[in-house]
Amino acid sequence: AQSVTQLDSHVSVSEGTPVLLRCNYSSSYSPSLFWYVQHPNKGLQLLLKYTSAATLVKGINGFEAEFKKSETSFHLTKPSAHMSDAAEYFCVVSDGNTGFQKLVFGTGTRLLVSP
Amino acid sequence: KAGVTQTPRYLIKTRGQQVTLSCSPISGHRSVSWYQQTPGQGLQFLFEYFSETQRNKGNFPGRFSGRQFSNSRSEMNVSTLELGDSALYLCASSPGEGDAFFGQGTRLTVV
Repeated sequence: AQSVTQLDSHVSVSEGTPVLLRCNYSSSYSPSLFWYVQHPNKGLQLLLKYTSAATLVKGINGFEAEFKKSETSFHLTKPSAHMSDAAEYFCVVSDGNTGFQKLVFGTGTRLLVSP
Repeated sequence: KAGVTQTPRYLIKTRGQQVTLSCSPISGHRSVSWYQQTPGQGLQFLFEYFSETQRNKGNFPGRFSGRQFSNSRSEMNVSTLELGDSALYLCASSPGEGDAFFGQGTRLTVV
């Protein structure tokens, strides 16, 4: 079964400094990986996805992630944090072996951004 | 293009009652998935429907059920509500293979 592990439950940064949210995955085949963001009392918004094309994936709002098969990692980064980035971030793997739309979520990382 | 619409946004029910939640997917999307989000268990997959057929089901008791109509709208039903069913229920819409777009969810509180 596919799974993801988010290594930090909370990450605190100052506005303007880089962001790194860490995610490791476990998959028996080449996975589809995603990062979603959830702002308070809101639904989930897709930030970016990896589907075996380029290993460096660019997403919305300046976020990007790099797929590293040798490290089974898919870390999310942003060069400069903005106050509006404060939210919960989920690393997600698609259980795509059966072709069904079933997403397996990590436990989430809460990003705190201070002025 | 309208997004995924979930109704109602908030719901308060009493233990033992049943509840029905609704999800209208993005126009043209034939797949609808449901997820439960709680502080303790995080986000968990409930089930997925494609063209009115349930294709996959998560590890939830039979009290949780769903269906999909010919216009792709979906409903999920929870019978004999328990306090532990209090959660944010999220619906995701997809063309079938590919990105999932989420609604804002229905916040269910069981008292």
